[in-house]
Amino acid sequence: KAGVTQTPRYLIKTRGQQVTLSCSPISGHRSVSWYQQTPGQGLQFLFEYFSETQRNKGNFPGRFSGRQFSNSRSEMNVSTLELGDSALYLCACAGQGLLETQYFGPGTRLLVL
Amino acid sequence: EDKVVQSPLSLVVHEGDTVTLNCSYEVTNFRSLLWYKQEKKAPTFLFMLTSSGIEKKSGRLSSILDKKELFSILNITATQTGDSAVYLCAVVKDAGGTSYGKLTFGQGTILTVHP
Repeated sequence: KAGVTQTPRYLIKTRGQQVTLSCSPISGHRSVSWYQQTPGQGLQFLFEYFSETQRNKGNFPGRFSGRQFSNSRSEMNVSTLELGDSALYLCACAGQGLLETQYFGPGTRLLVL
Repeated sequence: EDKVVQSPLSLVVHEGDTVTLNCSYEVTNFRSLLWYKQEKKAPTFLFMLTSSGIEKKSGRLSSILDKKELFSILNITATQTGDSAVYLCAVVKDAGGTSYGKLTFGQGTILTVHP
C-alpha cells in the first residue's frame, strides 16, 4: 500500500510569511500527528488529529495550527514565521487501534530566512 | 512535565560488537513505549512495548520494558555498518478514546558502527 506522503518536500520562506504543509496518510489511517524536528530540540509533538478533530496538542504557540479533512488528509499552518521555525516537519499516521504502529512521512524541510 | 531521557547520547563501536541503548521516562498515563531508527530520513518503526518483562525481538535487535523502574533497553547484537543511525525512544500517553495519543521523544542515541 502507498505510504505517507507530504508536500512540499522543501520550502524556503521569509520571516513574517505564513506556510501550509500537507500530509496524506496511508489509506484507512484516521489518526494524523505532526512533529517538528530540529537539531537542538529533537522531535517534538505538535498535535494529533483524528476524525477531523484535534485530539492532542503539544506545547507550541498558537501560530501553529492544523486541520484534518474528511478523507483524513491533514494540513498544518504556521503563521508569522520566525527564524526558529526552520525545521523538518514530519507527519505520522496510525490506524484505529490503540496499539497501532505509527508510520512517518518523509517530511517537509522548511527554511525561514 | 513528561520526560524521556536516552543514554548514551552517542556511541561508536566496531562491526560485530553488541550495544545496549537506554531509555528512561517519567510520563503520566503511560500507554506504550516505542523505538524508532532514523537515518537521513523519517523515523522507521522498530518496536512497541506495552507490558513489563516481555522481550520483543526482530533479528539482531531486541527490546524490553520495565514499567516498575520506568525504563527500556534496546539491544543490537553483531552490529553492522548499516545499523549506524539515530535511535529514538518515545513514550505514548493514553489520551482516552481511539486517538493515537501524545508522544514524547527522547533526544536520541547516535550510533556509529565502523567496519
